[in-house]
Amino acid sequence: DGGITQSPKYLFRKEGQNVTLSCEQNLNHDAMYWYRQDPGQGLRLIYYSQIVNDFQKGDIAEGYSVSREKKESFPLTVTSAQKNPTAFYLCASSIRASGIAYEQYFGPGTRLTVT
Amino acid sequence: AQSVTQPDIHITVSEGASLELRCNYSYGATPYLFWYVQSPGQGLQLLLKYFSGDTLVQGIKGFEAEFKRSQSSFNLRKPSVHWSDAAEYFCAVAFKAAGNKLTFGGGTRVLVKP
Repeated sequence: DGGITQSPKYLFRKEGQNVTLSCEQNLNHDAMYWYRQDPGQGLRLIYYSQIVNDFQKGDIAEGYSVSREKKESFPLTVTSAQKNPTAFYLCASSIRASGIAYEQYFGPGTRLTVT
Repeated sequence: AQSVTQPDIHITVSEGASLELRCNYSYGATPYLFWYVQSPGQGLQLLLKYFSGDTLVQGIKGFEAEFKRSQSSFNLRKPSVHWSDAAEYFCAVAFKAAGNKLTFGGGTRVLVKP
């Protein structure tokens, strides 16, 4: 089955540690996205990538970093510089990011708790 | 900057009753419009989308939505709600002039009473 996988589902870290969230897709989509979800605030875009080895900052990129070395993978690192990292993180992909606004397909999410 | 407003944070509806969720957007250009549904602790699933053409669009699970340009709205409706429709619903908008990036509303949580 084609889809997006995110691992792990739950992640716990101590404050001051960097942590990397995994996102893999086998849909052969060019574009991938990372969103952060907080209660009552909808989804906010962290980073997105339209093609391998290229990515752009979204609305709340500070304290996060990404890489796109393979088409199917788009890991997100939450660094110690992120002031409030506890949140639900969602990865998504779409056929392309330019031209018509193709719908985005979402993974199941990773809930990160930092104490 | 584009923005999306879902004025109702919570809605409670009886099973079998009709449901309407409101969505308004702000921006001047032609929008691409989406409704997604999220069950607790899960990812988002696309219910329906509007790009152009007929302003009444049909989606999955018996949902439909109507685009009204004059009101900058894209309200979601279902004639008869099932208990399994209890979830959070997100409206999202993209504009070609803004690079097609999705902007999400804050969501509406739907509770279904037996």
